[in-house]
Amino acid sequence: AQRVTQPEKLLSVFKGAPVELKCNYSYSGSPELFWYVQYSRQRLQLLLRHISRESIKGFTADLNKGETSFHLKKPFAQEEDSAMYYCALSFFGTYKYIFGTGTRLKVLA
Amino acid sequence: GAGVSQSPRYKVAKRGQDVALRCDPISGHVSLFWYQQALGQGPEFLTYFQNEAQLDKSGLPSDRFFAERPEGSVSTLKIQRTQQEDSAVYLCASSLNIAGTRSDTQYFGPGTRLTVL
Repeated sequence: AQRVTQPEKLLSVFKGAPVELKCNYSYSGSPELFWYVQYSRQRLQLLLRHISRESIKGFTADLNKGETSFHLKKPFAQEEDSAMYYCALSFFGTYKYIFGTGTRLKVLA
Repeated sequence: GAGVSQSPRYKVAKRGQDVALRCDPISGHVSLFWYQQALGQGPEFLTYFQNEAQLDKSGLPSDRFFAERPEGSVSTLKIQRTQQEDSAVYLCASSLNIAGTRSDTQYFGPGTRLTVL
């Protein structure tokens, strides 16, 4: 069955430090991967998707099919990056997104 | 512009009561999704509508859950005879295009937090 694993429930880093939020997926075909973010008291919103290959708010994520991973990275964390981050998987022929359990990122001053 | 809206934002129900949760998607969006998010978990897919057609209801946990979108815009998720395990945040999302071929960006509503006592 398709699955998304985010091994860290909580990740704390200091401001200016690099950040890596891990995401591994289980799917044998061609996946579409997404990162969604939820800031405090706000709704879930798309941060980036792998097919766009873009950097949003300094975040990037590369799909590694060999390792079945889609880790989210930022070289220098900012306090405003503190939020809940969800990795999600979709693929051709399905209507659904399969979400991971999320990682709470805390950026400390 | 207006995003996806959901009402009520909070609902407390006694076990056994029926509840109805409403979702207003972004105008013109073809696809509408419902998700259930339990405490400490990620959203879990419940059902999908393409316009008024319910094309996938594989995620509905029991026959107590029913969803409709009769005119292809507003959708209602109904839960009959609520149980404590139904307590969760119910999220609605919409996307512009038809899902299932290439995944389109899903825009989420703020959610309805349901508490069953």
